Amino acid sequence: GAGVSQSPSNKVTEKGKDVELRCDPISGHTALYWYRQSLGQGLEFLIYFQGNSAPDKSGLPSDRFSAERTGGSVSTLTIQRTQQEDSAVYLCASSSQGADYGYTFGSGTRLTVV
Amino acid sequence: GESVGLHLPTLSVQEGDNSIINCAYSNSASDYFIWYKQESGKGPQFIIDIRSNMDKRQGQRVTVLLNKTVKHLSLQIAATQPGDSAVYFCAENKAGTALIFGKGTTLSVSS
Repeated sequence: GAGVSQSPSNKVTEKGKDVELRCDPISGHTALYWYRQSLGQGLEFLIYFQGNSAPDKSGLPSDRFSAERTGGSVSTLTIQRTQQEDSAVYLCASSSQGADYGYTFGSGTRLTVV
Repeated sequence: GESVGLHLPTLSVQEGDNSIINCAYSNSASDYFIWYKQESGKGPQFIIDIRSNMDKRQGQRVTVLLNKTVKHLSLQIAATQPGDSAVYFCAENKAGTALIFGKGTTLSVSS
């Protein structure tokens, strides 16, 4: 498709379980970003991939969070041993010029930990 | 830490009025600023951007103003329409890092 695609759109999981969230960026976009948005809040930066460079993981809140980007395209955000405070909308974005240009966001994955 | 914030969490206007949404930023090293619009259940959508070597930029019905002296950014929407109702975020960037977003202003437009 023409936009950033995220799956699943909704995920309900039990506390303590692991979850994987997927992001398909716009074809050819070299930069990919993950953000977290809690209810009524702004976007919290998690991780940033740019081309073949080492990712900027400075926003990951704990070692339960990890992300990878395979083949410079699809990215997976993994949350291990989920906690209730992990409940949020996880947004992925991509851009063609790196961090200095506007991003195109997906619609997000709404994660609910019960 | 450094962050981007907004002056008002909510703004209510009448259809046809001009809207002004404000944002204060704290990092004088930031050189790129963006406004995003987010409708319910959707991801943020790019509206307009501005670089630090400019103080004004206009788009279709929108204008962004940058005052580096007081670290202030504003978004002006002309002839506001009901379809403009959404949450508006400003974001800042310094070279080589990801955008930092503020908490957002909810714009409500009544007919």
